[in-house]
Amino acid sequence: DGGITQSPKYLFRKEGQNVTLSCEQNLNHDAMYWYRQDPGQGLRLIYYSQIVNDFQKGDIAEGYSVSREKKESFPLTVTSAQKNPTAFYLCASSTPGLAGSTGELFFGEGSRLTVL
Amino acid sequence: AQTVTQSQPEMSVQEAETVTLSCTYDTSESDYYLFWYKQPPSRQMILVIRQEAYKQQNATENRFSVNFQKAAKSFSLKISDSQLGDAAMYFCAYRRRPLNTGNQFYFGTGTSLTVIP
Repeated sequence: DGGITQSPKYLFRKEGQNVTLSCEQNLNHDAMYWYRQDPGQGLRLIYYSQIVNDFQKGDIAEGYSVSREKKESFPLTVTSAQKNPTAFYLCASSTPGLAGSTGELFFGEGSRLTVL
Repeated sequence: AQTVTQSQPEMSVQEAETVTLSCTYDTSESDYYLFWYKQPPSRQMILVIRQEAYKQQNATENRFSVNFQKAAKSFSLKISDSQLGDAAMYFCAYRRRPLNTGNQFYFGTGTSLTVIP
C-alpha cells in the first residue's frame, strides 16, 4: 500500500541533544513537508521541499534542519537550538496538482517528541 | 499571503443531527483548491472533502458536503447524520494554483467537534 511512514512514533530527548525524525513515502510525490503541531493548535510549516536536492524554510524553521537527497525521504533534525521542541510533528507529501488532480496533502501518522 | 480563518474553535452536535463548520479565506487568486481535513484523537490527518475553485458545484462525500461561495470566499463543511466517530478536530485548508513557487498550502486553526450521544 502506498503511504507515508514516520518514525519513531514517540521520541524522548534530553536537552542539548539533536534528534532526527524519519519520513519516507512511496507515493512517488515530488513535494514533501514538515509541520509542527502544539496541543490544541493548528499546523505550522517548518520546511518543505518541492524537488530532490532542494528545500525551503517555512514559518518556523529556526532550530530545525532537513535534507532531501532522495525523492522518497525527507528527514527532519531537531537541533539543540530549538528552544521548545516538545510537540507533535507531521510529515506530508503531495503531487503538483495538475492534470485534474487537486494535489492534496497526504500525511503520515506523526511523531511525538518530548524533551525531558 | 493567503489566510484561512476558522472562527469556531469548538462546536458540538447531537448524534444524528447536522452541523456546519465555517471557513473563510483571503486570496487574490482565481484558481485554487480547498480542502477539509479531519484529525481524530489518533492525530492522523484524514482528507474529508476537496473542492476545485473553478467548479461551481459543491462537493459531496457521503454525509459530508460543502457550501462553496467563491465570491464571499467561504467554504463551510456540513456533516449530516452526525456519528460518534465524527468527533475530531477539523481543519480547513487552501492550496494555491499549481506551478506557483513557494509554499502552497495554508491551514486554518481548526474547529474541535464534539458529538453528544
